[in-house]
Amino acid sequence: SQQGEEDPQALSIQEGENATMNCSYKTSINNLQWYRQNSGRGLVHLILIRSNEREKHSGRLRVTLDTSKKSSSLLITASRAADTASYFCATGRGRDDKIIFGKGTRLHILP
Amino acid sequence: EPEVTQTPSHQVTQMGQEVILRCVPISNHLYFYWYRQILGQKVEFLVSFYNNEISEKSEIFDDQFSVERPDGSNFTLKIRSTKLEDSAMYFCASRGRSFYNEQFFGPGTRLTVL
Repeated sequence: SQQGEEDPQALSIQEGENATMNCSYKTSINNLQWYRQNSGRGLVHLILIRSNEREKHSGRLRVTLDTSKKSSSLLITASRAADTASYFCATGRGRDDKIIFGKGTRLHILP
Repeated sequence: EPEVTQTPSHQVTQMGQEVILRCVPISNHLYFYWYRQILGQKVEFLVSFYNNEISEKSEIFDDQFSVERPDGSNFTLKIRSTKLEDSAMYFCASRGRSFYNEQFFGPGTRLTVL
C-alpha cells in the first residue's frame, strides 16, 4: 500500500476486475485527494474527500477515508485498459492546503 | 471549463542559465502553487503563494528560486542559475478560497538542463 510520502507499489489486474489502492499518512490533513498520471504527463484530479467525510463516490471510483487510522482507499470498479496509469494519493495540509503526494501506485490493466 | 495553462511545454537550457516558467492560473483563484516531479519520482511541493506573497516554501525552494505574479494573471517561477538536478517536470496549480476546493494543475513544463 502507499505510505503517504513513502509508497511505491505496482498492481496488475485483469480488465473488468476491481482495483483497490490504499494510502496512509502521518499528520493531520484538510482533505485527501487522488490523482492519476499517465506516463509522466499531467496530473488528472480524480476525487477529493474532506477530512470530515468517510466515503465518496464518483462514477466508477469510490474513496474511503479513516482519519482515526490515517488511511484512505481508492476503489476502481470494472477496470478498463484506459485505467492503466499511476495513481497518487495526496493530502492537503496547512493553512494554504499545500499538497503532499505519495510515490504512487502503478496500475496496469491486462487485456 | 476553466483550466490552468503553462508555457513552454518543454524548455531546454544550459547549466547556469536563468529560466522562467510561466503559468496562467484560473482567473478567480486565490492560491497558487508550484510543484516539481523529477523523472520517475513523486511530485514535490515547492511553494505556495497567496495575497501577492509567498506563504510557504519547501526546503527545495532555495535562493535560486523565486516566484512572481507580475500582472494579476501570470504566475512565474524563476530559477536563477540552473543546475543539472533542476531537470524535472514543473507543475503550476491554483485553488479557490476553500480547503474543499480541488487544486487545478496545469499540464506542466518539462525542464531539461544540459
